[in-house]
Amino acid sequence: QQQVKQSPQSLIVQKGGISIINCAYENTAFDYFPWYQQFPGKGPALLIAIRPDVSEKKEGRFTISFNKSAKQFSLHIMDSQPGDSATYFCAASIPNSNYQLIWGAGTKLIIKP
Amino acid sequence: DAGVTQSPTHLIKTRGQQVTLRCSPKSGHDTVSWYQQALGQGPQFIFQYYEEEERQRGNFPDRFSGHQFPNYSSELNVNALLLGDSALYLCASSNFGNEQFFGPGTRLTVL
Repeated sequence: QQQVKQSPQSLIVQKGGISIINCAYENTAFDYFPWYQQFPGKGPALLIAIRPDVSEKKEGRFTISFNKSAKQFSLHIMDSQPGDSATYFCAASIPNSNYQLIWGAGTKLIIKP
Repeated sequence: DAGVTQSPTHLIKTRGQQVTLRCSPKSGHDTVSWYQQALGQGPQFIFQYYEEEERQRGNFPDRFSGHQFPNYSSELNVNALLLGDSALYLCASSNFGNEQFFGPGTRLTVL
């Protein structure tokens, strides 16, 4: 029940296209859903995050869509660029845990020029 | 602001040895969390320190221990190393109750 399932495992998108990564969860008590971007040899960097009272959040080319009834959330990267090539992780925070995070397995995104 | 810093960058140990990893939090942060990230997987929460005490702990054995100092920096100690402990160890800092910022990690290889 504490798992966060992420798909796909890898994704290849043409430059300028839309990259979509999906996550699903079971624990309805999760109260915070961040997405992290990780480049090889680096630690994860917070990209964008959403709380369950909002259905969508947009920051620049990055959008989170949140479907509370389906217990799913997704990351959309518009106008994908080669510099977006990285591994993306979704996560969910355990309530009252001071942001203790349960992580998805990651999606390796490759943007082809 | 230097952000979260970790040392060393890389470390090679043999089975049975002990290792200590270090983390300096981002300026103004008082909480440090440690994660283990095996190759090709998402990070797994080890534990979190706030006010020099362990506040939360993930599903890791007692071989994994930690410490937080008065200046909020932290150490992760792993005893009796196993091959399976080979991973990237990430430190994240935050103000208690707020979002985490990650360091670059320490790559531990156990031979």
